[in-house]
Order: sequence, then C-alpha cells, then structure tokens
Amino acid sequence: EPEVTQTPSHQVTQMGQEVILRCVPISNHLYFYWYRQILGQKVEFLVSFYNNEISEKSEIFDDQFSVERPDGSNFTLKIRSTKLEDSAMYFCASSAQGARTEAFFGQGTRLTVV
Amino acid sequence: TQLLEQSPQFLSIQEGENLTVYCNSSSVFSSLQWYRQEPGEGPVLLVTVVTGGEVKKLKRLTFQFGDARKDSSLHITAAQTGDTGLYLCAGEEGSGGGADGLTFGKGTHLIIQP
Repeated sequence: EPEVTQTPSHQVTQMGQEVILRCVPISNHLYFYWYRQILGQKVEFLVSFYNNEISEKSEIFDDQFSVERPDGSNFTLKIRSTKLEDSAMYFCASSAQGARTEAFFGQGTRLTVV
Repeated sequence: TQLLEQSPQFLSIQEGENLTVYCNSSSVFSSLQWYRQEPGEGPVLLVTVVTGGEVKKLKRLTFQFGDARKDSSLHITAAQTGDTGLYLCAGEEGSGGGADGLTFGKGTHLIIQP
C-alpha cells in the first residue's frame, strides 16, 4: 500500500541551527502538507502546497519556515533558526486531487531542539 | 479559527461494551475526518464524512456527521482490546478543494480492558 515516508525519524539540533525535514509523498498525490504536534497537544496545521506553491498557511508558519519541492518526489520543510519551542513531531501528509482534503500522514519526524 | 471539541477526553471500558465519542464545533465544516493515532506515529485516516446526516460504517465502527455539519460521532459496537488508541476528529474549514488545512481536535484516549 502506498505510504508517505519521512526522514529522519528523529533529529536533534542546537538552538539557532537550520534543519530540513524531508518527506516523500504518495506518488500520484498532488497536495502536500506539513503539520506539527507538540508533545501532549493537538495536531496543528502549518502549510499546504499545490502546483509548486503554497496554497494556505497558518499563523504558526512564519518567516522562519519554508517549504520546497526540489524534485518530482521530495517535499521539504526548512526551519531557518530553530528555537526551543520548535521541538515537536512534524508530520508530512499528502492528498490526491479531489473535492476534499483526505490527508494521508507519514510517521513523523521528532525534532528536539536543545 | 474553528475549534473542534472532543469528548470524552479519556474513556476506559470493558471489552464487549459499546461506546460513543463525540466531536463538536460551533462552526460548519465542509468535511470531517476521523483518524486513529498510535503513540509516536502519524494519524491514520479512518473515514471522511461530507454530507449532513451522513452515516458511514467501518466494520464495528459507525461514524455520523451532524445534519448541520457542525458535529460528528463515532460509535463502536462490542469494543475489542485492539480498539485501544487515540481517536482524532479533523475538520476541513474551506469550501473543499484539497488545499485546505485540517483543524484537529485534541482527541479521545480510548482504553479497552480485557
């Protein structure tokens, strides 16, 4: 069964460093998303991406964040200068083109900022 | 920003019993999805409901979307220990087109005791 894959599964970084989280969405999907989940809290939407540009973003997705689809398979989330409060599980998701968002999630990357 | 309230937050019942968990909002959603999330993993999509009053069944699980598309319920018949997990509802805020971010509830932690 097709699935969304994310790497790495766990990333530890020092405050102020840049991190890039990587995702390979399901191959025939056209919409891509990043969500985060701080430990013990709910899943929060960050950004959606379609046709090589951002479609929608939340208040969380500030100038420190950027997304890119560098080739035909990868979808990345970059955090320029990490803060302690960026520590969370980051989930990539993808959705086939259709009338509604039916998102299929990856296993997540646990980001720990120290 | 639309909010989804899930209740109860925690539920522990004996195997074989029936249960219902709820997802409520004061806002209208174009669609609503139910996910199950295991610790340290991404949410797994169970079902999407779109039409007010819609009922969908997935084996022993019955999902209903409220007539006004503001609320939803998940009913499990004859619960099994394998049903143990975190159940999340997520609503699509926009008109429905794939690019919309999902608003998640905090989830119901369900424990089925043998």
